[in-house]
Amino acid sequence: DVKVTQSSRYLVKRTGEKVFLECVQDMDHENMFWYRQDPGLGLRLIYFSYDVKMKEKGDIPEGYSVSREKKERFSLILESASTNQTSMYLCASSSGLAGIYEQYFGPGTRLTVT
Amino acid sequence: GDSVTQMEGPVTLSEEAFLTINCTYTATGYPSLFWYVQYPGEGLQLLLKATKADDKGSNKGFEATYRKETTSFHLEKGSVQVSDSAVYFCALSDPGTGGFKTIFGAGTRLFVKA
Repeated sequence: DVKVTQSSRYLVKRTGEKVFLECVQDMDHENMFWYRQDPGLGLRLIYFSYDVKMKEKGDIPEGYSVSREKKERFSLILESASTNQTSMYLCASSSGLAGIYEQYFGPGTRLTVT
Repeated sequence: GDSVTQMEGPVTLSEEAFLTINCTYTATGYPSLFWYVQYPGEGLQLLLKATKADDKGSNKGFEATYRKETTSFHLEKGSVQVSDSAVYFCALSDPGTGGFKTIFGAGTRLFVKA
């Protein structure tokens, strides 16, 4: 089974801090994704990566950056955390094979910015 | 652009009741369709999928049929259990985007009472 792990389940940070969220997948997947999940808004794509060192903006990239230095690891960075970034953050991966689009999710990190 | 609309929740049912969660989509191409489930405190898990018209996806007693003529992918289960209480997300992935963009519905919360 695919396993996607995230570094923290719960995180509390102060406004202005730099925040790193780490995600690791163990199935040699090409694609990795970061979403945020907010009540009533569903899942919104922040960034995705289709290869090492390659990244693309999603629907809501403002205030975030990402890093993918190794195939199995995809990091989300909040350069200067703000209270409106309090949310659930979900990492996901997919194989990248043609016609295979299902995504595998980590357990999520609930981030609170105070 | 592509979109997914699913019925608003919460849906509250008694154990052994019949479940239907409606999902309709708009897409310019021929998308793959998915149902994901999110149990409390966890990330999303793939529940079932269908990749072409008239395909039926099924898993754990849940079923959904890809209906191109009505652009629908309704989720059904004949007899729900308390353990089915979760949030259910309908989603589509358009092959034209290489599978990089999955569109999720807003989610439908299901409560099953004993």
